[in-house]
Amino acid sequence: ETGVTQSPTHLIKTRGQQVTLRCSSQSGHNTVSWYQQALGQGPQFIFQYYREEENGRGNFPPRFSGLQFPNYSSELNVNALELDDSALYLCASSFGQGDYEQYFGPGTRLTVT
Amino acid sequence: RKEVEQDPGPFNVPEGATVAFNCTYSNSASQSFFWYRQDCRKEPKLLMSVYSSGNEDGRFTAQLNRASQYISLLIRDSKLSDSATYLCVVTPGYGGATNKLIFGTGTLLAVQP
Repeated sequence: ETGVTQSPTHLIKTRGQQVTLRCSSQSGHNTVSWYQQALGQGPQFIFQYYREEENGRGNFPPRFSGLQFPNYSSELNVNALELDDSALYLCASSFGQGDYEQYFGPGTRLTVT
Repeated sequence: RKEVEQDPGPFNVPEGATVAFNCTYSNSASQSFFWYRQDCRKEPKLLMSVYSSGNEDGRFTAQLNRASQYISLLIRDSKLSDSATYLCVVTPGYGGATNKLIFGTGTLLAVQP
């Protein structure tokens, strides 16, 4: 186990609703990255938080937003859910920005109906 | 054009076979290279880093050709437990979140008894 935890494990929402996903990073890690993995695809980078600041963002609309707390845990918020937001959401923690080994949590499977 | 391209497979091979996966990446400035393994409905896990000099870990050998922007993974003496999706991954080395992971779509390997 990596020590990275995510909650909830599964979630079902309807179109237009809002959702918050949570991630607890591995002890000692100050960087959290979020990824979206649609069925049959590789994970796609959403954004990264380093020491509570957003440190880079992928090609996702503003309705995807995040937060990192002083204990380095993180939240991903998605507003106005669309059917295409159905995916596995993964968070990965690492120590610093130059440490390329990132440890993934088990993911949250979101279904939008 | 996708930043990282892989043959999605599936590759169906008998136990004991040797199988090779290939991957190309589009950005010549890419900085670091990896192979990740992902079991069905699980999170990706780092299999190995890839270097120009090539590197080997037991039955697994990875190679990078920067001139051709090509990455390979060779698995010898395939085991049933090798059945998984193999993801080719690069980091951009530029912009924000220089260590963000850019994934290919993954290649599915099924090892048959």
